[in-house]
Amino acid sequence: AQKVTQVQTEISVVEKEDVTLDCVYETRDTTYYLFWYKQPPSGELVFLIRRNSFDEQNEISGRYSWNFQKSTSSFNFTITASQVVDSAVYFCALVALQGAQKLVFGQGTRLTINP
Amino acid sequence: DAGVIQSPRHEVTEMGQEVTLRCKPISGHDYLFWYRQTMMRGLELLIYFNNNVPIDDSGMPEDRFSAKMPNASFSTLKIQPSEPRDSAVYFCASSRGGAFNEQFFGPGTRLTVL
Repeated sequence: AQKVTQVQTEISVVEKEDVTLDCVYETRDTTYYLFWYKQPPSGELVFLIRRNSFDEQNEISGRYSWNFQKSTSSFNFTITASQVVDSAVYFCALVALQGAQKLVFGQGTRLTINP
Repeated sequence: DAGVIQSPRHEVTEMGQEVTLRCKPISGHDYLFWYRQTMMRGLELLIYFNNNVPIDDSGMPEDRFSAKMPNASFSTLKIQPSEPRDSAVYFCASSRGGAFNEQFFGPGTRLTVL
């Protein structure tokens, strides 16, 4: 079975601070995909990134970066120079090749950026 | 291009009533997923379709829940009879190629059962 754990339920920082959202996953499958989704106050989930289990290169997209480490089964997400518009709930998710097309979500981290 | 469309956006009903949620996926997407989001259980997959065929409905909580996809551009999730514990936000998502690829989510339907 697959499992995703986001231990940080809520994070609150002041604008322009850097913030890292942690994600730890469990799977016995060697082929899997990891995702991050953003759920702003409007409610709709928005895709941010996808990573497959064979690609451990870190990814940077503007102020966003992701650190994938198979050795620790972690896929952490960092926002640099946070902005108020980054306030949202962020979900880490996993789907394994043997997981029958089921995307398993973590419980989410509510991020609040204060001006 | 239009995204995933869901209706209604909000639904308030009384216990025992039938509720039908609707979804129009993105044109060209061959997979459609129904999720439920609650505070207690988070985001859960209820059922998914591939080319209009239901593939896995093991996440459907009870026989009171049913889903159909009569064609590539329309799906429904029905709850009959509804109960207060069904109160949640229900999301529809679609993708090209399945759950290994990006899923595009609709705005959700917030269901309240009194």
